[in-house]
Amino acid sequence: GAVVSQHPSWVICKSGTSVKIECRSLDFQATTMFWYRQFPKQSLMLMATSNEGSKATYEQGVEKDKFLINHASLTLSTLTVTSAHPEDSSFYICSARGGGGSYEQYFGPGTRLTVT
Amino acid sequence: GQSLEQPSEVTAVEGAIVQINCTYQTSGFYGLSWYQQHDGGAPTFLSYNALDGLEETGRFSSFLSRSDSYGYLLLQELQMKDSASYFCAVRVMNRDDKIIFGKGTRLHILP
Repeated sequence: GAVVSQHPSWVICKSGTSVKIECRSLDFQATTMFWYRQFPKQSLMLMATSNEGSKATYEQGVEKDKFLINHASLTLSTLTVTSAHPEDSSFYICSARGGGGSYEQYFGPGTRLTVT
Repeated sequence: GQSLEQPSEVTAVEGAIVQINCTYQTSGFYGLSWYQQHDGGAPTFLSYNALDGLEETGRFSSFLSRSDSYGYLLLQELQMKDSASYFCAVRVMNRDDKIIFGKGTRLHILP
């Protein structure tokens, strides 16, 4: 099956710093990647959709200047949380979908971010 | 916007059958998916229905009625390892082709 990896799996950073999370599709080309955020015991909230080579589309209420998304290649998307604050502490999950009308999204293992 | 409704918690006995319902309201509806998530893990894909009817995959089945904006996930022969959260998710195609998740149903399995 298709494999999506994320790096790092967990990260602790100080308030005010920035942290970058990578999402890679390992054995397929991902034309579209998605970034979700999940707080404990809550649902996955879609943050943004990114298509390779174009700007990400952010969901309502998500600050695009705070959550920078880059999808520079068909196998890599990055999410940078800028000027992180404790309320940004969450589980960030990416997913990837191939082209050709594929409906299935393959999820990465997630990155747990803790901002102190 | 989109809204999905599913029960927050369901409890069942090992070996039994359980059904998790999901109703949705959305524009640009394309299909209904179900995902399983264990604590601390990422969601794993279970099923996808784009057309009305029942899809069966082993112990799991999923149903969709587009006219009723309703679907369900049926889990048979429950095992303790099925204890997890189950999310229904709608695939919508408006400006983007994306998946929006429901709030999830926590399934507790009793021995």
